[in-house]
Amino acid sequence: QKEVEQDPGPLSVPEGAIVSLNCTYSNSAFQYFMWYRQYSRKGPELLMYTYSSGNKEDGRFTAQVDKSSKYISLFIRDSQPSDSATYLCAMSELNFGNEKLTFGTGTRLTIIP
Amino acid sequence: SAVISQKPSRDICQRGTSLTIQCQVDSQVTMMFWYRQQPGQSLTLIATANQGSEATYESGFVIDKFPISRPNLTFSTLTVSNMSPEDSSIYLCSVQQGLSTDTQYFGPGTRLTVL
Repeated sequence: QKEVEQDPGPLSVPEGAIVSLNCTYSNSAFQYFMWYRQYSRKGPELLMYTYSSGNKEDGRFTAQVDKSSKYISLFIRDSQPSDSATYLCAMSELNFGNEKLTFGTGTRLTIIP
Repeated sequence: SAVISQKPSRDICQRGTSLTIQCQVDSQVTMMFWYRQQPGQSLTLIATANQGSEATYESGFVIDKFPISRPNLTFSTLTVSNMSPEDSSIYLCSVQQGLSTDTQYFGPGTRLTVL
């Protein structure tokens, strides 16, 4: 079993829809949870970052962490064609100074105009 | 955020040869990382490269196959040695500017194809 599971998609939704992206994990020691966005032929860029459980909102993006279920989500409201990309979840343990990231496989998202 | 460049951006190589990938950062950073991103698979950490010490390799990766240099706080190289088609992948350099993982930034990647 992989430490982090993520549906690879592809996922296609019409412009303006709400998008829900999810990851599950098995390592209960994970404390930091991140979402990266990766455009084609580019490196990943950090989109959202949360520590422990709870919600975090940034503009059209909301990240949710449910540690009891080992489940994290990223919601995109009012989706735009520019949101078309691969979205990677990543996690790390509480380990100052050398925090290894464990990634999901990524979900390829296409927003249809 | 740090600006990271990688050279080459892509290459096609013959089996049995070696390729050295360069990573340059626009500011001094303590921690640099090398990842591999294969189609349909997770980003996988190859090694952590800290200036002034030997690189730390993850399980499944060895120094003879992926030697790393870190001569200063803004530059690192990763060599993929004695390449086989299984080494075809995107190789990404990453840096961490602060103590926590929310300060980790990625370069654009090097797309390697081995024939």
